Amino acid sequence: EAGVAQSPRYKIIEKRQSVAFWCNPISGHATLYWYQQILGQGPKLLIQFQNNGVVDDSQLPKDRFSAERLKGVDSTLKIQPAKLEDSAVYLCASSPPGLVAGELFFGEGSRLTVL
Amino acid sequence: QKEVEQNSGPLSVPEGAIASLNCTYSDRVSQSFFWYRQYSGKSPELIMSIYSNGDKEDGRFTAQLNKASQYVSLLIRDSQPSDSATYLCAVTFQDYKLSFGAGTTVTVRA
Repeated sequence: EAGVAQSPRYKIIEKRQSVAFWCNPISGHATLYWYQQILGQGPKLLIQFQNNGVVDDSQLPKDRFSAERLKGVDSTLKIQPAKLEDSAVYLCASSPPGLVAGELFFGEGSRLTVL
Repeated sequence: QKEVEQNSGPLSVPEGAIASLNCTYSDRVSQSFFWYRQYSGKSPELIMSIYSNGDKEDGRFTAQLNKASQYVSLLIRDSQPSDSATYLCAVTFQDYKLSFGAGTTVTVRA
């Protein structure tokens, strides 16, 4: 079974530029999450999708971050414009229907460096 | 603000010893409790889940939960160098949202 796929793995941009990250969850997984993990901290939930609907985006900085999950499969997270403090690893995770909330399968992550 | 707190470490243990990791959480009405392992430069991987008070064992790992004390722990028996990683405690609160602690870094000395 293929895991959660993410791209790009690494991205370096200047502040005020834009960046987009892509995630393809495990086949059949209805729930998709984007987490931000700053060095030395635990992952912080940015947004959670159930199929193509948003379940929780309370911690998404909506003035600069946006995310979509068209057709309920893959998802894109965008940052525009980027700030220095956005330097982090952006983790995508998914979980199948019926599984206990909290049992997540993570992708390898996309490491963003903002200069 | 719901919180999950862990000692950041690093926790250094000799090979073959028991590593003991602790985690406390702020919300009494919490649902489920998890331990994720994260190797350096890698993504988190679920290694244990526990839902009721008491102990749960899986191989060399034992999770312990005490809801009255709002405390969950992870014991790693017969620690191996391959256990060197950051261990993240995670809790789902009443709204079923998963919150992570900052993690405890474990180093197993050969």
